[in-house]
Amino acid sequence: GENVEQHPSTLSVQEGDSAVIKCTYSDSASNYFPWYKQELGKGPQLIIDIRSNVGEKKDQRIAVTLNKTAKHFSLHITETQPEDSAVYFCAASMGNYGQNFVFGPGTRLSVLP
Amino acid sequence: AAGVIQSPRHLIKEKRETATLKCYPIPRHDTVYWYQQGPGQDPQFLISFYEKMQSDKGSIPDRFSAQQFSDYHSELNMSSLELGDSALYFCASSSTSGETQYFGPGTRLLVL
Repeated sequence: GENVEQHPSTLSVQEGDSAVIKCTYSDSASNYFPWYKQELGKGPQLIIDIRSNVGEKKDQRIAVTLNKTAKHFSLHITETQPEDSAVYFCAASMGNYGQNFVFGPGTRLSVLP
Repeated sequence: AAGVIQSPRHLIKEKRETATLKCYPIPRHDTVYWYQQGPGQDPQFLISFYEKMQSDKGSIPDRFSAQQFSDYHSELNMSSLELGDSALYFCASSSTSGETQYFGPGTRLLVL
């Protein structure tokens, strides 16, 4: 089955700096890769996603890149703000109806003012 | 915009008791997923339903069962609760127009 690894497990950056979180997956059949942000006591919130037919996607300060050959994808957050502090999860799925996500173990991002 | 609704938000049970968690998907979403998240861990997939039929099954214990009803809401039934069942339980929903899953706020279950 699919296995998703995520690095680093914790990341501290100064406000205004960039943050990069990397994930690798094992199943070449996976073709949908979402990123979720989870704040304490809340459900995961989708922040950006990418499909296998696209190499990069950007939404304001957030971007995701995908390298299908190497089976890795990354989340880039620029101009970080204290409210970006949270746990970030990457996930992979085959994108079929009802197909579950396999999540990475998460990255705890702390943005220091 | 309407989000996924879960109830109850918090639940305390004794060992060997039963619990029922409810999930109301986003309107017009026909697929529901259940996940279990332990402290400091990533969400683990339990089970999913598409159009009221089970569509995928993960690491759901035999003591747990779930179903999706005609109005697309879903219930997760948990019996013979164990201390290790203490966790956050999330429901997510998606529509047939896309594979994006939207998560609810979760139910925090504590088994004493």
